[in-house]
Amino acid sequence: AQSVTQPDIHITVSEGASLELRCNYSYGATPYLFWYVQSPGQGLQLLLKYFSGDTLVQGIKGFEAEFKRSQSSFNLRKPSVHWSDAAEYFCAVGAKAAGNKLTFGGGTRVLVKP
Amino acid sequence: GAGVSQSPSNKVTEKGKDVELRCDPISGHTALYWYRQRLGQGLEFLIYFQGNSAPDKSGLPSDRFSAERTGESVSTLTIQRTQQEDSAVYLCASSSRLRNYNEQFFGPGTRLTVL
Repeated sequence: AQSVTQPDIHITVSEGASLELRCNYSYGATPYLFWYVQSPGQGLQLLLKYFSGDTLVQGIKGFEAEFKRSQSSFNLRKPSVHWSDAAEYFCAVGAKAAGNKLTFGGGTRVLVKP
Repeated sequence: GAGVSQSPSNKVTEKGKDVELRCDPISGHTALYWYRQRLGQGLEFLIYFQGNSAPDKSGLPSDRFSAERTGESVSTLTIQRTQQEDSAVYLCASSSRLRNYNEQFFGPGTRLTVL
């Protein structure tokens, strides 16, 4: 069975500072990996995804993530956060063999200090 | 085009009542998923429809939960005899064969509160 762990429940970061959110997954084959963002009162928005190929993927809003097979990780990064990045971030894993259903981590809530 | 829509946006019900939640997927999306998000937690998979295939019901937490889908359009999630632990946001998502079914587009959710 696939699983996703986001070790950090909350992260507080100053505006303009860099941000890294951790994600570790467990899956027997090469997974499809996703990062979603959920802002207060908003639905889930896809930030980026990894299916295959280049292990460093670029997403929207200046986010990027790196797939590291050896570490079973898919950490999300942003060089300089903006106040509007305050939200909850979810890492998810999916695979065709699993019927494409997504397994989500518990989420990391990001607070941005002025 | 329009995204995934869900109704109602909020539902308050009394324990023991039945509720129906509706999802309208993006037109042309053959795959449809239901997830549940309890307060402060990640999303849990409930059920998955793909075209005319039998649905994957492996995530339904009890037999009080059921879902139907009419062809490749609207889906209804029904919870019978609601319990307080059913309180959550119920999210629907759809995806397309053109995107290998792995990019799911989510609706805004229905917030269910069971008193």
